[in-house]
Amino acid sequence: GENVEQHPSTLSVQEGDSAVIKCTYSDSASNYFPWYKQELGKRPQLIIDIRSNVGEKKDQRIAVTLNKTAKHFSLHITETQPEDSAVYFCAASSYYGQNFVFGPGTRLSVLP
Amino acid sequence: DGGITQSPKYLFRKEGQNVTLSCEQNLNHDAMYWYRQDPGQGLRLIYYSQIVNDFQKGDIAEGYSVSREKKESFPLTVTSAQKNPTAFYLCASAGQGEYGYTFGSGTRLTVV
Repeated sequence: GENVEQHPSTLSVQEGDSAVIKCTYSDSASNYFPWYKQELGKRPQLIIDIRSNVGEKKDQRIAVTLNKTAKHFSLHITETQPEDSAVYFCAASSYYGQNFVFGPGTRLSVLP
Repeated sequence: DGGITQSPKYLFRKEGQNVTLSCEQNLNHDAMYWYRQDPGQGLRLIYYSQIVNDFQKGDIAEGYSVSREKKESFPLTVTSAQKNPTAFYLCASAGQGEYGYTFGSGTRLTVV
């Protein structure tokens, strides 16, 4: 089955700097890769996703890149702000309705 | 609240007691999921259902039970067989032809 690894587990950056979180997956059939942001005690919220037919997707300060050959994808946050502080989860699935396999999460702290 | 509602928000269980967590969605989604999240941990799949009257065990189903009698509802029962039930429980749903989960706001269960 699919296995998703995520690094780093914790990440601290200064406000205004960039943050990068990386995930690797094992199942070459996976073709959908969402990223979720979870603030303390709240539900995960989808922030960006990418499908296997594209290599990069950007939405304002966040972007996701996908390397299908190497089976890894990354979340990039630029110009970080204190409100970016949260736990971020990556996930992978092979088709609609297939269970997501989540990475273990990265706790991002943006320091003022 | 985002089309998927979990109740109660907080729940306390005595030793040896069964409790049921509610999950209702009005998104007309076919698939529904239950995840457990422990402090500082990722999301672990308990049960999932792709269609009414059918459900499958996830990675940590022992001590839990579910039903899917209606498309809108996917309640989770935490039985007395679950020896360490204190956790944050998240319900999610996914729609036909859509990508990504919609999460409920979660139920925090504590054993007293």
